[in-house]
Amino acid sequence: DAGVIQSPRHEVTEMGQEVTLRCKPISGHNSLFWYRQTMMRGLELLIYFNNNVPIDDSGMPEDRFSAKMPNASFSTLKIQPSEPRDSAVYFCASSFGVRGNQPQHFGDGTRLSIL
Amino acid sequence: QQPVQSPQAVILREGEDAVINCSSSKALYSVHWYRQKHGEAPVFLMILLKGGEQKGHEKISASFNEKKQQSSLYLTASQLSYSGTYFCGTANTGNQFYFGTGTSLTVIP
Repeated sequence: DAGVIQSPRHEVTEMGQEVTLRCKPISGHNSLFWYRQTMMRGLELLIYFNNNVPIDDSGMPEDRFSAKMPNASFSTLKIQPSEPRDSAVYFCASSFGVRGNQPQHFGDGTRLSIL
Repeated sequence: QQPVQSPQAVILREGEDAVINCSSSKALYSVHWYRQKHGEAPVFLMILLKGGEQKGHEKISASFNEKKQQSSLYLTASQLSYSGTYFCGTANTGNQFYFGTGTSLTVIP
């Protein structure tokens, strides 16, 4: 079975550029999560979708971040304009059911470096 | 609202036991446990949904004390493969989910 697929695996770009991260959840899962992980702040939830609808975006840092889920098999996280402090590993995870009741399955992550 | 884990780090010799604790300030209805190896994604270990329920996974088990809003992860007869960072994830009655601060576990020969 295919797991959660994220792309790209690595991204290096200059400050001010637009960055788009992509995620394909596990087929049949109806919850999708975007996380950011840094040494200083640990694993932070950015946004949570259920049935393609954003349910909790309280973790989105600021207006420079946006996320969409146009259908059950695809989601994007966009940063525009990017800043060096956005450098982190971004994980996408999916699960079946509502948040908290089922295991979350993580993709391999995107390592983002903003110069 | 982020659950607090203790200890922050622990070093064990192969075969020794360890306990990792997770404590929340909010009422919980579930606790998850994940392990993350360096450079990899977190991997699900187990989920506890009922107060006082204990679950097991290989030689790793966990308990959930709903009244105290705490969970503990027990690693017995540790193996080198157990090394990594362990995270609890808590779902509270306000329908919020947070990962804990993490516990780095290193098993040495």
